[in-house]
Amino acid sequence: DAEITQSPRHKITETGRQVTLACHQTWNHNNMFWYRQDLGHGLRLIHYSYGVQDTNKGEVSDGYSVSRSNTEDLPLTLESAASSQTSVYFCASSEVQGWDPTDTQYFGPGTRLTVL
Amino acid sequence: KQEVTQIPAALSVPEGENLVLNCSFTDSAIYNLQWFRQDPGKGLTSLLLIQSSQREQTSGRLNASLDKSSGRSTLYIAASQPGDSATYLCAVRPDSGYALNFGKGTSLLVTP
Repeated sequence: DAEITQSPRHKITETGRQVTLACHQTWNHNNMFWYRQDLGHGLRLIHYSYGVQDTNKGEVSDGYSVSRSNTEDLPLTLESAASSQTSVYFCASSEVQGWDPTDTQYFGPGTRLTVL
Repeated sequence: KQEVTQIPAALSVPEGENLVLNCSFTDSAIYNLQWFRQDPGKGLTSLLLIQSSQREQTSGRLNASLDKSSGRSTLYIAASQPGDSATYLCAVRPDSGYALNFGKGTSLLVTP
């Protein structure tokens, strides 16, 4: 069955370190998204991609970067981890580009990141 | 900027009750609206998706309605069960773009 996976599921790191969170989907979806979830804020969009070599900033992109070299993967990099980036990170994907109001997003299980 | 609000933030009901979760959004230019379920420590599972041209969608004991002009959606859960205990998230996809705008969720506890 097609799925979307994230690794690691849990990570503890120190302030100032570079961290990369992996996201891999086997749906062959064009669109991929990274969100973070924090108490009191809900899910907020960090970065997104509509295809290979395409990346865009979301609402809370400062301190994060992504690259899309193939359809299946969208790794999220924290250039220099800060305590404010302690959060749960979700990757999602969707198939449709163009007009299809039934299009839905599929979410990975999340990565819980703690920055000490 | 689209703002999505969910009321109540938390709800506790005895098993068997029917209940309603509310979602409101500030910009009616939406493409669709989705309700998700999130269990502790888990990802999001899509429950229902309502297209902007639709008024409601049903799946089993769940019914979601959409009033786009007033910026409101409700999720109705019939005959609640302890297994329904989870956080329910409302998300709106705007007319432009594919990313979702989420509410903060309603945490539901159904007690036996």
